[in-house]
Formats: sequence, structure tokens, C-alpha cells
Amino acid sequence: KNQVEQSPQSLIILEGKNCTLQCNYTVSPFSNLRWYKQDTGRGPVSLTIMTFSENTKSNGRYTATLDADTKQSSLHITASQLSDSASYICVVSATRTGGSYIPTFGRGTSLIVHP
Amino acid sequence: NAGVTQTPKFRVLKTGQSMTLLCAQDMNHEYMYWYRQDPGMGLRLIHYSVGEGTTAKGEVPDGYNVSRLKKQNFLLGLESAAPSQTSVYFCASSYSPSGGHEQYFGPGTRLTVT
Repeated sequence: KNQVEQSPQSLIILEGKNCTLQCNYTVSPFSNLRWYKQDTGRGPVSLTIMTFSENTKSNGRYTATLDADTKQSSLHITASQLSDSASYICVVSATRTGGSYIPTFGRGTSLIVHP
Repeated sequence: NAGVTQTPKFRVLKTGQSMTLLCAQDMNHEYMYWYRQDPGMGLRLIHYSVGEGTTAKGEVPDGYNVSRLKKQNFLLGLESAAPSQTSVYFCASSYSPSGGHEQYFGPGTRLTVT
């Protein structure tokens, strides 16, 4: 069964500090991995996508890494800001040769940034 | 370009009542999805559609029905609401059935069943 596990479940950090969120998956055959950010009371929005051949990708202060061998990804946030307070969701997609295709969602990491 | 919109934003139902949630997208996406989100559970797929006139069950379909009569609309129905259906409901759409295309989410509908 395809699964996506995220850790930690929640995290509290001080403004300006860095943090790293983890995602482990068992989705196979792997196609790609997305990180979404969900602000309170809003729908998730995609931050970045990682494909099999990519190890690192940055989007501003967000840097995602992927190790396809160990089936792990991380999202590193540099110099956190109050606006980074949100839930971060890891979503993994499998490659399908036919039929419908549905990605697998993790439960998310809730990040709170304190001033 | 409004993206994905959901109607209504909030609703309170009594047990046994019925209602329909409407999702509309203006991006000409083939795929549409309905999720529910509960504390600690993350987003769980209720039903999805791979094109106009087609629907399929997701992870938690019981108690819900859906219809996709037009490509841009995806309706979620609750025939007889139960307190266990109290949740935040999100609709999403994506461009293609091939892997990895970004899902665009609506703002959510907060439903309370008393």
C-alpha cells in the first residue's frame, strides 16, 4: 500500500531560525514528490516538485531535497518568518501506464513561528 | 481567472438533512477531486473524476455521492448528514491524468452537522 509519513507532526520555532521537515514514502513506482503549504483556513498551494533525477530544488527560502534510494525527502526553511506558520504537506505520485492516477498525501507538519 | 471556487463557504446542518457542495474551475482541467480534512488526519480523498461524466471512489466515499455533468463543475452530495461528516471539505482540480500535475485547491467549505 502506498504511504507517506511526515515528521515531526508539529514544530515550534523562533522567527529567524531554520528548520527541516521530513517526508518518508513507500509509493512505487515513484514519479514525483510535491511539497504543499497550507495556511490556516485556506487550501494547499504547491511550493515545489521533485522528480526522480532531482536531488535539490529551491524556491526562495524553501529548499527541498530528495533521496530516491532511501525514499526520503526534506523541506528546509531558512531564516523563518511569521508568514511561514502553516501546515506543510508532502504528496507523492506514482507512475501509471494506464487507468486513473491519484497521488498519496501525508498528514502534514504543522509549523508555528513565534516572534 | 478565478481558479477553483467552492460554494458555500460555511454550512450548518441537522442530522438527516441533505445538501450539495458545488465546486467550479475555470482552468479546463480534466481531473477534479473532493477531499475532507479533519484534525490530525490530513486530507483524505472522498471521490474524484477523470473527466466529464465520470466519477470514482476515493479513500472515504461512504455517505457521499458526486456528479460531473459539466467539465468545469464537480458536485458533492450528502443525502443524510451525520455528525461524523462534520469537517472541512476541499475541492481540487488538475490538468492531466499523467503523474505529478499540480492540484489547485479551492478555499474550502466548513460543514458542521449537529
